[in-house]
Amino acid sequence: ETGVTQSPTHLIKTRGQQVTLRCSSQSGHNTVSWYQQALGQGPQFIFQYYREEENGRGNFPPRFSGLQFPNYSSELNVNALELDDSALYLCASSLGTWTVDNYGYTFGSGTRLTVV
Amino acid sequence: AQTVTQSQPEMSVQEAETVTLSCTYDTSENNYYLFWYKQPPSRQMILVIRQEAYKQQNATENRFSVNFQKAAKSFSLKISDSQLGDTAMYFCAFMSGGSNYKLTFGKGTLLTVNP
Repeated sequence: ETGVTQSPTHLIKTRGQQVTLRCSSQSGHNTVSWYQQALGQGPQFIFQYYREEENGRGNFPPRFSGLQFPNYSSELNVNALELDDSALYLCASSLGTWTVDNYGYTFGSGTRLTVV
Repeated sequence: AQTVTQSQPEMSVQEAETVTLSCTYDTSENNYYLFWYKQPPSRQMILVIRQEAYKQQNATENRFSVNFQKAAKSFSLKISDSQLGDTAMYFCAFMSGGSNYKLTFGKGTLLTVNP
């Protein structure tokens, strides 16, 4: 059983650019959630995808968007990067949207994004 | 909106001793879930323990146990027989029972276990 894989592990981008982060969910999981963890903070929920559709969204602007593919992998896209977007981006997969009933998320090790 | 507060940014403990990490939360809901996650230097969030609000009995997982005080909205984590591998950031998290897809995290407590 493979875990959650995220790529790349580190990334440096310039303000104003666009970035795509990728996540492969754990085998058997069909739901992917994305979190942003700024330095010294706890993770903040960005959005969740279930069966290729957005299932919930946190307090993030529209320039944060996502996709989920038929194999349940997912992408997080951020347009017009700002310095404050520098953070660790965590992906978590689960079986179904009822994450608690299915004993919660499996997290990846994240992508560290630095915006300069 | 729910909030989760961890008032101890850093704590340290000697190996084999016991340590308690504090967490308080604010919600108007009656049905919810609480979690403790561990984040080692590898950055991956690992579930340590979870508690359903409707259960009065405190959850226990091996050396980890919680003290859940629903009326006080308090959810502390006790680690017994601390081990060097317990060194990590610990996050308390809340999930609403009504929309159980989103975790709300506290800012975390850095726990260092000293030899």
